[in-house]
Amino acid sequence: EAGVTQFPSHSVIEKGQTVTLRCDPISGHDNLYWYRRVMGKEIKFLLHFVKESKQDESGMPNNRFLAERTGGTYSTLKVQPAELEDSGVYFCASSQEVVNTQYFGPGTRLTVL
Amino acid sequence: GDSVTQMEGPVTLSEEAFLTINCTYTATGYPSLFWYVQYPGEGLQLLLKATKADDKGSNKGFEATYRKETTSFHLEKGSVQVSDSAVYFCALGPSYGKLTFGQGTILTVHP
Repeated sequence: EAGVTQFPSHSVIEKGQTVTLRCDPISGHDNLYWYRRVMGKEIKFLLHFVKESKQDESGMPNNRFLAERTGGTYSTLKVQPAELEDSGVYFCASSQEVVNTQYFGPGTRLTVL
Repeated sequence: GDSVTQMEGPVTLSEEAFLTINCTYTATGYPSLFWYVQYPGEGLQLLLKATKADDKGSNKGFEATYRKETTSFHLEKGSVQVSDSAVYFCALGPSYGKLTFGQGTILTVHP
């Protein structure tokens, strides 16, 4: 069974540009989560989808971040325009039920110059 | 709100040494507790978990016991190997879906 995959693995962009990160969850997992780790600090929750609906987006830092999950399969996280403080590693995770173990992808390392 | 505090690293040990990484938490209700590990160049992997008080999670020689009275979930291993070098994250949840993580502890094991 394929695990959670994320694309790209690394992205380097300049301040003001737009970047779109993609996450493909484990097949059949209705719950999809985005997290971020900035500068060696703790991993912080961004948002949670149940199928195509946003269940909780309380961790989204501001309106420069837009997450979508069309059709309840893969998800994208767009940052527009990117700022220096957006640099970090963005993790995606999925689970079958909300109370189940979350399985993480390898992360996307975003560097904003 | 929920929070997790891990011992600060980095932790450097010689092979076959005993490992303890402390983790304490603050939470409402009765969360599950997790240890995740990130090996160099890889993503987060679930190492072990415990779902209720006094449960012991174990995997690959690592153990952690859910201590409600001390709100702790310390990670231990009796004899570390070079291959255990990684970043270890303590986490609690899921609370309405989301996990709350500690800041991570870097472990380096030398031959």
